[in-house]
Amino acid sequence: DTGVSQDPRHKITKRGQNVTFRCDPISEHNRLYWYRQTLGQGPEFLTYFQNEAQLEKSRLLSDRFSAERPKGSFSTLEIQRTEQGDSAMYLCASSLGEGARSGANVLTFGAGSRLTVL
Amino acid sequence: QKEVEQDPGPLSVPEGAIVSLNCTYSNSAFQYFMWYRQYSRKGPELLMYTYSSGNKEDGRFTAQVDKSSKYISLFIRDSQPSDSATYLCAMITGGFKTIFGAGTRLFVKA
Repeated sequence: DTGVSQDPRHKITKRGQNVTFRCDPISEHNRLYWYRQTLGQGPEFLTYFQNEAQLEKSRLLSDRFSAERPKGSFSTLEIQRTEQGDSAMYLCASSLGEGARSGANVLTFGAGSRLTVL
Repeated sequence: QKEVEQDPGPLSVPEGAIVSLNCTYSNSAFQYFMWYRQYSRKGPELLMYTYSSGNKEDGRFTAQVDKSSKYISLFIRDSQPSDSATYLCAMITGGFKTIFGAGTRLFVKA
């Protein structure tokens, strides 16, 4: 098990371009999360999948953002028509999701994908 | 007002010092409390996990939760330069959404 993998690690793009990030969670984890982190701030929740179903989206996730998790495996986060305010670290995390009390909702994070919009 | 408040620091201490990191929160429904550590250019990793009020110790680390005051703490004994990182408190009600504090940057000087 190699942990949570994210690709690319760093993306530099011009304003108005589309970008896509990929996350490969730990294989036995059924929950997958996307968070956004800006400098000096903690991670902010964006969206959450239980298997292939997207169960919640934050208000932070405007209609320019879309996330998918086909077949409950890897996930992609696409940002269309990027804006400079989208510059941030996009973190993916996964968990077993069988109940927080068992410890199974503890998040395992990837190293993140850093987006810079010029 | 944010649900979880955490002083961003930075906090600078000499090697061997006892470090105290704190968070306050407003949502009384939080039941599970975590501390994550984040090194530069890395994702957060779990340090400690506590359910409800009380203390939990793991090596040089002690987590305390006071639900009556809505206050949690992390103590690091005999701090080392390798402890230099950002420490994030995090909380969850029992569902799926973990809420993070802003993180406190800690520097331990050799």
